Amino acid sequence: EVLLAQSGAEVKKPGDSLRISCQVSGYNFGNYWISWVRQMPGKGLEWVGRIDPADSYTNYSPPFRAHVTITDDKSINTVYLQWSSLKASDSAMYYCARHQWRSPFDSWGPGTLVTVSS
Amino acid sequence: DIQMTQSPSSLSASVGDRVTITCRASQSISTFLNWYQQKPGKAPKLLIYGASSLQSGVPTRFSGSGSGTDFTLTISGLQPEDFATYFCQQSYITPPFTFGPGTKVDIK
Repeated sequence: EVLLAQSGAEVKKPGDSLRISCQVSGYNFGNYWISWVRQMPGKGLEWVGRIDPADSYTNYSPPFRAHVTITDDKSINTVYLQWSSLKASDSAMYYCARHQWRSPFDSWGPGTLVTVSS
Repeated sequence: DIQMTQSPSSLSASVGDRVTITCRASQSISTFLNWYQQKPGKAPKLLIYGASSLQSGVPTRFSGSGSGTDFTLTISGLQPEDFATYFCQQSYITPPFTFGPGTKVDIK
């Protein structure tokens, strides 16, 4: 069974750093890309960026490129989304999802809620 | 970047109704169009990929059609568990993997 398990909810202050995780199981980690998708409260789905675990190559959506970093740890089949300095506007649910080139996001994690408030 | 639009943004329907949601791409995406269902507090779930292929386990009352720039998702015989928000997504010219703004289906 394919599973994407995400780390728990986080409450942080503006300026804090944060790393959230997505640990996958049930398939070969290197065979699928992992994307991160943001959903702000009551809003739609926004693609943040993706990583190819086969070579750790990343792409980012322009609005997020300068603000987040996606990395992976192949030894534990885990992908990370991290911020070095959070803003209140980063408050959202973040989902990880697996996919391949030109393919749909066929499995999703349950989401990690990030709350940034002073 | 390719822009995705959906219409309507919301609709009210009754159990048993036939519901059609439209998605339009700003340029041709062939049939690289996917549909997702999201219920409150839950992650999105893949329903349709490649414009018309039903994801395994998805009820056959869901169907998709279209190619190029215009696509539709049809629910034939709306069930209580179908009240949710539906998103389209293009996977043809990426990145970015663009989603439509969503269509909320609620109970009339």
